[in-house]
Amino acid sequence: QSVLTQPPSASGTPGQRVTISCSGSSSNIGTNTVKWYQQLPGTAPKLFIYRDDQRPSGVPDRFSGSKSGTSASLAISGLQSEDEADYYCAVWDDSLNGLVFGGGTKLTVL
Amino acid sequence: QLQLQESGSGLVKPSQTLSLTCGVSGGSIASGGYSWSWIRQPPGKGLEWIGYIWHSGSAFYSPSLESRVTMSVDISKNQFSLKLTSVTAADTAVYYCARDTYQGWFDPWGQGTLVTVSS
Repeated sequence: QSVLTQPPSASGTPGQRVTISCSGSSSNIGTNTVKWYQQLPGTAPKLFIYRDDQRPSGVPDRFSGSKSGTSASLAISGLQSEDEADYYCAVWDDSLNGLVFGGGTKLTVL
Repeated sequence: QLQLQESGSGLVKPSQTLSLTCGVSGGSIASGGYSWSWIRQPPGKGLEWIGYIWHSGSAFYSPSLESRVTMSVDISKNQFSLKLTSVTAADTAVYYCARDTYQGWFDPWGQGTLVTVSS
């Protein structure tokens, strides 16, 4: 049972907008910045969002991050087949004194 | 371009010690400003942070693994290492190393190495 709650799955058709949520608490999302990772099958995770809403160079601007209170979201607009992957949120937890990951969301492009 | 590569034993017997090394190329561990982390992922499951180490050798571990984990850094070889003692089948996972800019801002990652705990 992860400290951060993500839906296990999400789906959409090409061109749609999809949102993946990450719910936490005041000791993690409410206090520290959120990161998002994309993991394609059989590969290492890749940083897609840092500092809640910042994109590293090379990440398409179709991906955006946001945060409100103790919840964060990753939005993907103009969904493409190559976006099919697992997505994880991550944040430091001051109460646990360690980094925590969400359980991951498997995104399927129908 | 910074690259990380994990290496070590892919098969460890129960109760023994898992040992992995992460070689860094394209940049220096000693350049400062970053910590160096280990993360693992059991087959078919999610990610778990293990801990990080600074180039100074100062380390910080996940509370859930702290009693069994030791990390070290070798500046001369530009690499850092992980030791996990008293392993069980629950420690079977793909182990990744990564550079950490701040509190889980991991970029880049190594490709990962599968460690299986089995007799």
